[in-house]
Amino acid sequence: QSVLTQPPSVSGAPGQRVTISCTGSSSNIGAGYDVHWYQQVPGAAPKLLIYANNNRPSGVPDRFFASKSGTSASLTITGLQTEDEADYYCQSYDRSLSGYVVFGGGTELTVL
Amino acid sequence: EVQLVQSGAEVRAPGESLKISCKGSGYSFSNYWIGWARQMPGKGLEWMGIIYPGDSDTRYSPSFQGQVTISADKSITTAYLQWSSLKASDTAMYYCGCSGRSADNFDYWGQGTLVTVSS
Repeated sequence: QSVLTQPPSVSGAPGQRVTISCTGSSSNIGAGYDVHWYQQVPGAAPKLLIYANNNRPSGVPDRFFASKSGTSASLTITGLQTEDEADYYCQSYDRSLSGYVVFGGGTELTVL
Repeated sequence: EVQLVQSGAEVRAPGESLKISCKGSGYSFSNYWIGWARQMPGKGLEWMGIIYPGDSDTRYSPSFQGQVTISADKSITTAYLQWSSLKASDTAMYYCGCSGRSADNFDYWGQGTLVTVSS
């Protein structure tokens, strides 16, 4: 049970827009700690998608954008493509006893 | 280009020790945080811990403190994750990652090392 809660799955058709939520608390996201997002294609290593709440590393398409507000964050993907089918994880720092750096449980994106 | 290359898959019996590696290249090894994450079969990512090779500052998730040891050898730009006594529940894929900006995320990832613990 992660301290960052994500929906287990989301889906969308090619070209559509989907949003993945990451709900935390006052000991992590709500405390002002940065949120990072990763993409993990099945059978591959994770890849950094968004760092420090809303920054894209070089090479990540601008179809991916993220935001943070209060105790939650979200990742939005516009213009869905079949290659976006993957697991997505949020990550932040938690100052409680539950851990140092924590990942969300992950969300499986299916492109219909 | 930043690259992290991990050692190959391992099979061990319960109670055995193990040390897996992650070699970094293409960046200043001493000045980047480098750490490890676990992914058990069919499950999500778990952050294990991280080390700053420049001064050996090492931080562990409470879940893994005392269960594993993270170390680094600056002379060969390699980080390590080791167990003194493996359990069946240590069976997982282990990824290394590094960051030049902070200790709380991984900008770059290794390809993963599968560890299987079975009698």
